[in-house]
Amino acid sequence: AQTVTQSQPEMSVQEAETVTLSCTYDTSESDYYLFWYKQPPSRQMILVIRQEAYKQQNATENRFSVNFQKAAKSFSLKISDSQLGDAAMYFCAYRSHRDDKIIFGKGTRLHILP
Amino acid sequence: DAGVIQSPRHEVTEMGQEVTLRCKPISGHDYLFWYRQTMMRGLELLIYFNNNVPIDDSGMPEDRFSAKMPNASFSTLKIQPSEPRDSAVYFCASSFGGKREQYFGPGTRLTVT
Repeated sequence: AQTVTQSQPEMSVQEAETVTLSCTYDTSESDYYLFWYKQPPSRQMILVIRQEAYKQQNATENRFSVNFQKAAKSFSLKISDSQLGDAAMYFCAYRSHRDDKIIFGKGTRLHILP
Repeated sequence: DAGVIQSPRHEVTEMGQEVTLRCKPISGHDYLFWYRQTMMRGLELLIYFNNNVPIDDSGMPEDRFSAKMPNASFSTLKIQPSEPRDSAVYFCASSFGGKREQYFGPGTRLTVT
């Protein structure tokens, strides 16, 4: 069965600095999707970024980018120029190409220090 | 564009009472998912529908939980009777095509006393 592991329950970063959140996953499949979701205190789950496994190029969305290492089954999220509004719980998630279900990690709580 | 709409946003009820949570997916989306989030267990998929038909309900904890989707724009999750351990945030999410990203509603915080 596929699993998603986020080994950092909490992290802190100074405002305007860069932070990287780690995520590893386990799968025997070659075709899948990976996501990062953000859950701020409002508890709304917001899609931050998406990566298709067949694409070698790392996805980017403004200040958010990923480092996708398929062989290592690693999918880290880099947030550049951290802002106070980035404070949230971040969930890494996996979806097989053959399945409709998303598997979520346990999350990393990110604190932004002013 | 309106996102996924859930109601109520907060629900407080007494043990043994029936609770109904409601969801309106994004127009045009053909998949709908119900999740439960707790500190202990994280985000759990309860059930999901495709074109109003339940596809996988293996995450539904027990017979006290039931979900319906009578049409493409409305779904309910019912708990009867409710128990304190059902206290959680319940999310509804929808997607267009099962293999796309899911868009979540704001969630319903349920407290059973």
